[in-house]
Formats: sequence, C-alpha cells, structure tokens
Amino acid sequence: ETGVTQTPRHLVMGMTNKKSLKCEQHLGHNAMYWYKQSAKKPLELMFVYSLEERVENNSVPSRFSPECPNSSHLFLHLHTLQPEDSALYLCASSQLAGNSYEQYFGPGTRLTVT
Amino acid sequence: EDQVTQSPEALRLQEGESSSLNCSYTVSGLRGLFWYRQDPGKGPEFLFTLYSAGEEKEKERLKATLTKKESFLHITAPKPEDSATYLCAVQVAEETSGSRLTFGEGTQLTVNP
Repeated sequence: ETGVTQTPRHLVMGMTNKKSLKCEQHLGHNAMYWYKQSAKKPLELMFVYSLEERVENNSVPSRFSPECPNSSHLFLHLHTLQPEDSALYLCASSQLAGNSYEQYFGPGTRLTVT
Repeated sequence: EDQVTQSPEALRLQEGESSSLNCSYTVSGLRGLFWYRQDPGKGPEFLFTLYSAGEEKEKERLKATLTKKESFLHITAPKPEDSATYLCAVQVAEETSGSRLTFGEGTQLTVNP
C-alpha cells in the first residue's frame, strides 16, 4: 500500500447505528486530519492530530469521535448520526517540518445516513 | 477570519482553449497557498505549493502564480483529461498546532473534445 488509504469506501448506516471509518498513511508523516466534504461547500476540517496532540473544531458534533492510536492510523467513530451527516469523509496526512506542509489525501469514504 | 474565494464556479473550455482559474484570499499572514485537483468520487490530489508573491510553478499544462492577494492557475491548451474540480487552499503563518488549511469552494473545469 502507498499513500493514504481509507476503508470502507462506501458506507450506508441508519441513524441508530455505530460504525467506524479507518485511515492509514504510509508516508511517514506526523500529522493526520479528518475533513468533511459536502456538495457545494468547501472542505471542512473536523479534527487534527499533530505530534500526538488532538486539535478539535469546536463546531463538530459529539456524535463524531476521533481516535489516533499511533502516527500511521486514524479512526473516526460514528454514532447516532443525522441525515445531514451524509457526505464524503476525507483523511489526510502531512509532515510538520520545515516550510512544506502540504497535505496528502486518501480517496475518501462516501457516507450515507438513512 | 481567513477567507478563500475561487472563481469562476464552473468553466467550460474547448480542447486547446487556454484559460485561467482565480483564487483570491484574505489571511492574517500567508505561510503557503496550495492547489489541488479533485476527480469525482476521489480525494484531492496535490498539485503545487506557492510561498511568496512572484513565485511560479509549472507541471505539464498547468502553471500556478501568486501575488499578495490572489493566485492564478493557468491551463495551456487543455485536454479532456484535465477536466476536474480544482481546489485552492491557504495556510496561515501563525498556526502553531497542526497544519490547518482553509479551502475555497473550487472551480469545476470541463474540457470538451
């Protein structure tokens, strides 16, 4: 595997379900991110894990819960979601060193909440 | 508040018809400006980073330029495979934790054969 991988690629869940999204980066980076991409809206940063520190976006509902067990893996735990949470969820990673902070994205998980 | 505005929202070109996409930004201090390409159903693909006004970078038919207020993505003699959504993002200089990027809404480019 190379780059940033995400599983599953597609997920359909009911509002009472609990599921998790998984992300793995094979780039040796030290920061990982979760983004939400909805139609006609800019990418919205949800969470950052940087040097093992979590930085949260205070507008993200508590039904989204991130977990970063090490610098290569990132999870997004989902529970009691709402239909408006249907979107493309993107994981990204970057190396925080020097002046080059570009982020590399995975293919995303298309989430549909019914 | 940091803002990124991309124009136009959508652009249709004929194959070989050169044009430019615009990214205007308002930030407290720019560390870097990033261009990405996104194909439908996929994650954004990194294209360029620009750090200072006057800087230019090229890749195949694409050239990105930067001024103190905006960036342009010039597409020379585009081909149908250049069709995608192009995203612009900025990073502010005083970011001390993580690497926060603020994205624009993107320009959806369609190149007809």
